[in-house]
Amino acid sequence: DIVMTQSPDSLAVSLGERATVNCKSSQSVLYSSDNKNYLAWYQQKPGQPPKLLIYWASTRESGVPDRFAGSGSGTDFTLTISSLQAEDVAVYYCQQYYSTTRTFGQGTKVEIK
Amino acid sequence: EVQLVESGGGLVQPGGSLRLSCAASGFTFSNFWMTWVRQAPGKGLEWVANIKQDESEKNYVESVKGRFTISRDNAKNSLYLQMNSLRAEDTAVYYCARGYWNFDLWGRGILVTVSS
Repeated sequence: DIVMTQSPDSLAVSLGERATVNCKSSQSVLYSSDNKNYLAWYQQKPGQPPKLLIYWASTRESGVPDRFAGSGSGTDFTLTISSLQAEDVAVYYCQQYYSTTRTFGQGTKVEIK
Repeated sequence: EVQLVESGGGLVQPGGSLRLSCAASGFTFSNFWMTWVRQAPGKGLEWVANIKQDESEKNYVESVKGRFTISRDNAKNSLYLQMNSLRAEDTAVYYCARGYWNFDLWGRGILVTVSS
């Protein structure tokens, strides 16, 4: 199975500042035939199901604010929240869909400093 | 309204069985792969299984192979997860989700507790 490792496990950022979450896969999730990275990001607020934010590593889901951006390729990926808002407090997960068995990172908790 | 609603959870003894259901509405259920994802209390997300539109392909995480069976009834817009030989480590909130690669629609989840 592809192991997804996120860093840090948690971070505290001031309102309006940038938050950066990293995700590393144990093998490349870049599929050579279509040159796409098979990686998604989710946001999960307390007591709620996850919400899809980003897919194909950098494509924002419809309705997701443009302060959320995904980047990276191969094995190293980043979710950036450009200007943290109070409603962004949540746990963020990366997920690979390169292998038949899908796997998630362990999650990164984002809080307000 | 586009939604997924899980049911069938509860408390079960180790070694017991449970069948989860997920009712879909507001979209053409038969057009989509469907997936089960679970989350142990206070833990992260774990993909459990998925199923193709016509049930011709099913995939499972290694830890549930031979114990869990995913199925669907397109006429009833419903997804199922039959869970047998349950273990304490299967205790989790089970989410029904739409999609094959990534999951753009999730249910609220249903709690399954395996304990004596």
